[in-house]
Parts: sequence; C-alpha cells; structure tokens
Amino acid sequence: DSGVTQTPKHLITATGQRVTLRCSPRSGDLSVYWYQQSLDQGLQFLIQYYNGEERAKGNILERFSAQQFPDLHSELNLSSLELGDSALYFCASSVGSSGRGEQFFGPGTRLTVL
Amino acid sequence: GQSLEQPSEVTAVEGAIVQINCTYQTSGFYGLSWYQQHDGGAPTFLSYNALDGLEETGRFSSFLSRSDSYGYLLLQELQMKDSASYFCAAPNGAGNMLTFGGGTRLMVKP
Repeated sequence: DSGVTQTPKHLITATGQRVTLRCSPRSGDLSVYWYQQSLDQGLQFLIQYYNGEERAKGNILERFSAQQFPDLHSELNLSSLELGDSALYFCASSVGSSGRGEQFFGPGTRLTVL
Repeated sequence: GQSLEQPSEVTAVEGAIVQINCTYQTSGFYGLSWYQQHDGGAPTFLSYNALDGLEETGRFSSFLSRSDSYGYLLLQELQMKDSASYFCAAPNGAGNMLTFGGGTRLMVKP
C-alpha cells in the first residue's frame, strides 16, 4: 500500500458525459501527478500539481482539467467523454516538486466509456 | 522530447537471472527510473540511477551508461511473483514529468 488513495475504483459511463476522479496523496507529499494508462498509448503523464499550483503539463487533452485543493487532494475532471478515453487513470505523489527519483502511485481508477 | 525503448516481452525460468534493457533518446537526460507493475495493480518504484554504474537493491540491480544511452534492470533468483511488467522511465529537467517506456512483460515459468 503506497498511501495514495484514489476513488472511485471503477467508473462506467457513456460518451459525452463528464466524470471526476479523486486522489489523496500520501501524508506529507505536496506533489500530485496524474497519468493515463491505455493499451495503445502506454503510461502517459498528464499533469502535475505542487502545493495547489499547476507545475507541469503533459499530453493532457483540453477536455480534461485538474486541480489541487488546500488539503492537497486532487481531482481530475474528464468531460465530453469519448470511447478512446477508456483507460486506467493513476495518481501519484511525491514529497517535493520533483518526483525524479520516486513517485508513489495510487491503485488507479478504471474508466470505461460505453 | 524523450523516447525510451524496451523489449515487449521476456520469459525466464524460476531461479534464473534476467536482464531487461532500456535504450533512450532524450533532448536532455537526468536519470533513469524503473517501476514494476503487476496485472491490475499500480506501478511501484524499484530504483533510480542518476549516475553511471550499478545500483543494487536485494535481488534487483539497475545499471546506467550515459555514453551508450542505455540502462538495464537485472533480476536475480527469479521467483514466480516477479512475473509483472517492468517500465523504465526518464524525468525531464525539472523532475516533474516522467516519460515511460512501453514496458516489458516478464513471465517467470516454473
């Protein structure tokens, strides 16, 4: 158990809908990272927040957005969902703004878009 | 940008030694991490090499050669529970963006 929690574990929704994925980092970690894992794209970095501020952006679609709240939990919002958005979404955390060495991953949210 | 290449699959026998290679092409290079992921599970950090050479942690070792743009993960005394996918990953300069290789699926057979 990494200490990172994610809810929900599974999510099934329809195309065009909007969902919110939630992540709580390990106690003491200020950085939260979001990743998408799909069969054809592999594990891809989406976005990072550090202490409430956006620090890095990867291959995140405009339909997706994220935020980190004062209590350091983070939410990833996915809207106008398409079939291709079906994937595992992981949240990871690290103590500092640089997760160069080690990032701690949560159990993931499996999103299925029908 | 960064790209990391790994073999897609490796098979080995219980008790043997296996090496998983990773070659990279990056505009800037700051080190190489390795993660393990069991089916349906989360990636788990194994090791990080910032400098050339071998880092050993129990049965697992990781090696980096910057001059060859190459690294590997060495797993010794393989156990059935080592069957998993292994990913190499490289951070950007700020260390806040990890680019992952495609992953190597290791199957350990009895």
